[in-house]
Amino acid sequence: GENVEQHPSTLSVQEGDSAVIKCTYSDSASNYFPWYKQELGKRPQLIIDIRSNVGEKKDQRIAVTLNKTAKHFSLHITETQPEDSAVYFCAASSSSGTYKYIFGTGTRLKVLA
Amino acid sequence: NAGVTQTPKFRILKIGQSMTLQCTQDMNHNYMYWYRQDPGMGLKLIYYSVGAGITDKGEVPNGYNVSRSTTEDFPLRLELAAPSQTSVYFCASVAGNYNEQFFGPGTRLTVL
Repeated sequence: GENVEQHPSTLSVQEGDSAVIKCTYSDSASNYFPWYKQELGKRPQLIIDIRSNVGEKKDQRIAVTLNKTAKHFSLHITETQPEDSAVYFCAASSSSGTYKYIFGTGTRLKVLA
Repeated sequence: NAGVTQTPKFRILKIGQSMTLQCTQDMNHNYMYWYRQDPGMGLKLIYYSVGAGITDKGEVPNGYNVSRSTTEDFPLRLELAAPSQTSVYFCASVAGNYNEQFFGPGTRLTVL
């Protein structure tokens, strides 16, 4: 069935360093790839997304890259800050039919001051 | 717009009790979803709906039922609650012409 694998499950970085989280999807029909940040006790919040007709997208300190051939996409956070500490989820979705999301299992990012 | 709203925020059930989790969106979105998130885990799709009167099962539908009589409302029914249903439940919606899912604030359910 459809699956999204996410790595690593936990990631600790020093403040100011970069963090990279990687996801792999299985459904070739997937064409929309969002990343969500979830703080403790809160709902997931969209931080960046990318469509399959684009290879890279950047928004200030965060960027997402997509390799359709390899079915990989990655989240890059530069100049990390303590407030970046949270759980990050990737997801894959198709715009045809149901718009269902398949979520990765999450990465707990800790930014050490 | 209030976006996606959920009630209640918290609930404690005894084993075997039933309850309905309410979800409402005021964005006129056709697509709505129910997820559960167990502690330290990702989101699992329970049920979804592509429009009023149409619902379908997700990854983990057992023990739950849904209905979609209006575009705005998508209630989730738990019959015969079990400890395994202790989780945080999120409702979400999508417009359909763009993929972004909007999440409600969640309902934290404990079954004892």
